[in-house]
Amino acid sequence: DIQMTQSPSFVSASVGDRVTITCRASQGIRSWLAWYQQKPGKAPNLLIYAASSLHSGVPSRFSGSGSGTDFTLTINSLQPEDFATYYCQQADSVPFTFGGGTKVEIK
Amino acid sequence: QVQLQESGPGLVKPSQTLSLTCTVSGGSISSGHYYWNWIRQPAGKGLEWIGRISTRGTTNYNPSLKSRVTISIDRSKNHFSLNLTSVTAADTAVYYCARAPAMIVLDWGQGTLVTVSS
Repeated sequence: DIQMTQSPSFVSASVGDRVTITCRASQGIRSWLAWYQQKPGKAPNLLIYAASSLHSGVPSRFSGSGSGTDFTLTINSLQPEDFATYYCQQADSVPFTFGGGTKVEIK
Repeated sequence: QVQLQESGPGLVKPSQTLSLTCTVSGGSISSGHYYWNWIRQPAGKGLEWIGRISTRGTTNYNPSLKSRVTISIDRSKNHFSLNLTSVTAADTAVYYCARAPAMIVLDWGQGTLVTVSS
């Protein structure tokens, strides 16, 4: 199985801040990476697929980059509705696996 | 817009079988090239992919659960199901059903909490 390691596991930030979350795969996954946002008590929602493609309806302040083993999710100008937990997921091979999550909280 | 809804017992006894159904509305489970997935999340923890079934009935399972998992599809009822045998407390989680065109999940159910306890 491909292991996905996210860091940090917790981020304290203010509205308007720029937040960067990283995700590392235990082996190369080309650009087969997705990012999801999950709010308490809700199912995750897709933000980004293929490492850098923004899913329909997702604000442009979200962006993704990377390929191979190292990936980044960036949130520019953090908004109140962005406080949530973020997960990366490799989509290269079955079983697809998720990172441990990064919780973005209000400072 | 396709919607998915999980249903099944919220409480299962240890060693018994957990059975859940995901009903698909707003579209046919047989149309298009999709995979129908089960994913779970223990309280306060991350996401674990359990397995999937294709529109044609091909299955893939997480090796960590493979010996206990069966996913099936019923096209006449427009739903798919999860059976997980010999459950323990470690199987307590919110279970999500989800639709994916490949391995990117586009549509999720709201999730259902299953507790394993005597």
